[in-house]
Amino acid sequence: DTAVSQTPKYLVTQMGNDKSIKCEQNLGHDTMYWYKQDSKKFLKIMFSYNNKELIINETVPNRFSPKSPDKAHLNLHINSLELGDSAVYFCASSFNVQTQYFGPGTRLTVL
Amino acid sequence: GDSVTQMEGPVTLSEEAFLTINCTYTATGYPSLFWYVQYPGEGLQLLLKATKADDKGSNKGFEATYRKETTSFHLEKGSVQVSDSAVYFCALSGDGANSKLTFGKGITLSVRP
Repeated sequence: DTAVSQTPKYLVTQMGNDKSIKCEQNLGHDTMYWYKQDSKKFLKIMFSYNNKELIINETVPNRFSPKSPDKAHLNLHINSLELGDSAVYFCASSFNVQTQYFGPGTRLTVL
Repeated sequence: GDSVTQMEGPVTLSEEAFLTINCTYTATGYPSLFWYVQYPGEGLQLLLKATKADDKGSNKGFEATYRKETTSFHLEKGSVQVSDSAVYFCALSGDGANSKLTFGKGITLSVRP
């Protein structure tokens, strides 16, 4: 059974395009997160939602817009993609901030 | 703000060697400390955690002790295996209601047969 799933696993696109990454968790968690991992493996939180409410919004360009239609889903929409957006994006969920369960990641490549 | 510093990598060891990965932190209050592991091509998994000073977290032969006096949470394993090859992240979370996980830069461990 997949706990935290993301689609797509790989995403290759041109600069300037708009794309979305979807995340779903079947663990019944209240909180979901988006992280960005750069080419050096550095991992940084972007957003956190609790019960569909945004609670953490790090310094992220407003081209990135998270959307949580319900507690089990947190999607990430990115407008006007730039080369620097190339990274692996991880979704995670938790009951509390401590034990987070991560998805398999989405590798985004912007050409 | 909160921060986590990990030793520089990568680290390459022979099977059955002793492993130490250093981690120190800066935080206000009483953070909880974690080690996460990322196997090739996968997401992160919680390896172990400690929520207060002098606690020892352990899992799969790995151990780490929360040392408040030295603000450290070093990861150790007595005998590594090839299957331990992965990226290891030290992390902390603050004690506030909407705290977040702050990760170190991660270190790549390669274990050769």
